[in-house]
Amino acid sequence: SQQGEEDPQALSIQEGENATMNCSYKTSINNLQWYRQNSGRGLVHLILIRSNEREKHSGRLRVTLDTSKKSSSLLITASRAADTASYFCATDTGRRALTFGSGTRLQVQP
Amino acid sequence: EAQVTQNPRYLITVTGKKLTVTCSQNMNHEYMSWYRQDPGLGLRQIYYSMNVEVTDKGDVPEGYKVSRKEKRNFPLILESPSPNQTSLYFCASSLSSGSNEQYFGPGTRLTVT
Repeated sequence: SQQGEEDPQALSIQEGENATMNCSYKTSINNLQWYRQNSGRGLVHLILIRSNEREKHSGRLRVTLDTSKKSSSLLITASRAADTASYFCATDTGRRALTFGSGTRLQVQP
Repeated sequence: EAQVTQNPRYLITVTGKKLTVTCSQNMNHEYMSWYRQDPGLGLRQIYYSMNVEVTDKGDVPEGYKVSRKEKRNFPLILESPSPNQTSLYFCASSLSSGSNEQYFGPGTRLTVT
């Protein structure tokens, strides 16, 4: 398995519901980042959480980090159709590069 | 507007015909990198550059070359493209390192026949 694996691979919810995506990783990290990608387009940075932080908020986004379990979750509250996208976690392990997972495809039905 | 631009956005070419994908950023970022994205494999880094004239291999560098002669530009060169290089390519930049927030270009979809 890869460093940075998202779960589930795909998620379909109704508008207004909350969406939760999880990321697990294998080695120690300096920080973990979440990105969004609309179909076929470039990734957009959402949020960065450092290894000494447990929770971070940005608008409707809430990210948690549990370094003892080597896992993170991204919660999108009150989802909208415009949130339909793929979401990737990326880990900084000090390798001079982020390692990306293969992503969660989120579909928000209007 | 702060951005990373790539050209071309779409390219269909034949095996063995050299090509260059350009990448430019206007944010005075030191760090730039190239990724390829393939279904089920996520993003894999090809090459990165910490600054002008400083480049290094990423996870999948075979078949690619890069150069960093100016801070703003980081072209990706395929000397002899092969069908297994058919992919979606992204250029990214960040302020100082691969640990920071990455700014991605819009992507270049390459097909090698």
